[in-house]
Order: sequence, then C-alpha cells, then structure tokens
Amino acid sequence: AQSVTQLGSHVSVSEGALVLLRCNYSSSVPPYLFWYVQYPNQGLQLLLKYTTGATLVKGINGFEAEFKKSETSFHLTKPSAHMSDAAEYFCAVSTGGGADGLTFGKGTHLIIQP
Amino acid sequence: ETGVTQSPTHLIKTRGQQVTLRCSSQSGHNTVSWYQQALGQGPQFIFQYYREEENGRGNFPPRFSGLQFPNYSSELNVNALELDDSALYLCASSLEGLRQFFGPGTRLTVL
Repeated sequence: AQSVTQLGSHVSVSEGALVLLRCNYSSSVPPYLFWYVQYPNQGLQLLLKYTTGATLVKGINGFEAEFKKSETSFHLTKPSAHMSDAAEYFCAVSTGGGADGLTFGKGTHLIIQP
Repeated sequence: ETGVTQSPTHLIKTRGQQVTLRCSSQSGHNTVSWYQQALGQGPQFIFQYYREEENGRGNFPPRFSGLQFPNYSSELNVNALELDDSALYLCASSLEGLRQFFGPGTRLTVL
C-alpha cells in the first residue's frame, strides 16, 4: 500500500518569492510520483512526473521537483511565484501501470500575496 | 484533439436514488479511471477500466459500479445514494494507464 503526506494545508508566499510545497510518500515498491494543480471548479492538470532516471524533474509553468529516495520526499518548487500560481496542489504516487490508480495527498492551497 | 469531457457538470439527487455519470475519453486513450474528491480532500481512486474490463478498484463498496464502451467512453453508476456520496467525481483517461488526463468533473450533491 502507498500513501502521501503533504505538509501544510495552506502555504502563503509573496509574489516573486520562492514557492516550496512539501510532499512525503510511502511505497513498498519504487514509486512513480506526480504533482497536479487544480484551479477552482476545474479538473486536475499534470505539472510534472517522476518515473525513472534523473531525480530532478522539470515541469510546466516553471515548476520543478526533486525525488529524494533517502528522504522519501518529492517537494515541489518554483523560484519566483506569480499571482496565477494561486491554486490547489496535489502530490500523488503510483506503483506504475496504473491499475491501482493514483494515491493523492490531501492537497496544499497556495496563496500568493501581492 | 479533444480532451476528457464529463456530463453532467452538476447534479442533485436525494438519498436512496441512483445516479449515472458519463465520461468521454481523450482521443486514442484506452483506459479510464474514476476518482471521488470530497470537499477539501484529495481525489480517491474508485476503479479503472482497460479495454472494457475493470482491472483495478479502490476501497469503494459494490454499489459503485462502472462500464466502459467500445469507443472507450465510460459510465460511473452509484446505487442507493448516501449523503457522504456528495463530492466531485473526476474521470481520467490514459493510454495504458500511467499518464492520466483529467476531465473537469461532475459535482454531485445528495440531499
């Protein structure tokens, strides 16, 4: 069984500041890891994913995440926050193949202060 | 290329009723997954269909059932609705399961 813990249900940063959203996972097998963003009244959009290979993954909209196996973490970062980044962010884990679906964290609401 | 679409967008039902939600997959995708997202929570995996067969299921009771059609569109059926079934229901399609593309969801309210 796998699980995801997102630290901080709400994170507030100033426009132009560093964004750091934390995600820790547990998995009995090598995980596939994902970050999704959800804007109000919309579905989920994939930001980035880690499957194998390079542990630093670059995604859309300037986001990136680093897979750290020793820390069982997959934190999401962006060097400079923009007002349009305000949304709900979900970290998810899968064991691959997809038949067991994605296991999501509870989400982190990112607030951007002007 | 059309994305994943879901219908209806909103639905209100009463306890004990039955509901059917529909999903059209992205072109070329053969796998559909359904998720339930309660207010303030992350999505929870209900089940997945691959080439018209259920090939994975989360921790949901049998009153949650589904179908996938030859054109890979899908239905989620929920019988004997309970108040706790009120949620956003998300459909996601993929090719062979890994990268999932989500639809906008159906908001179900059970009164």
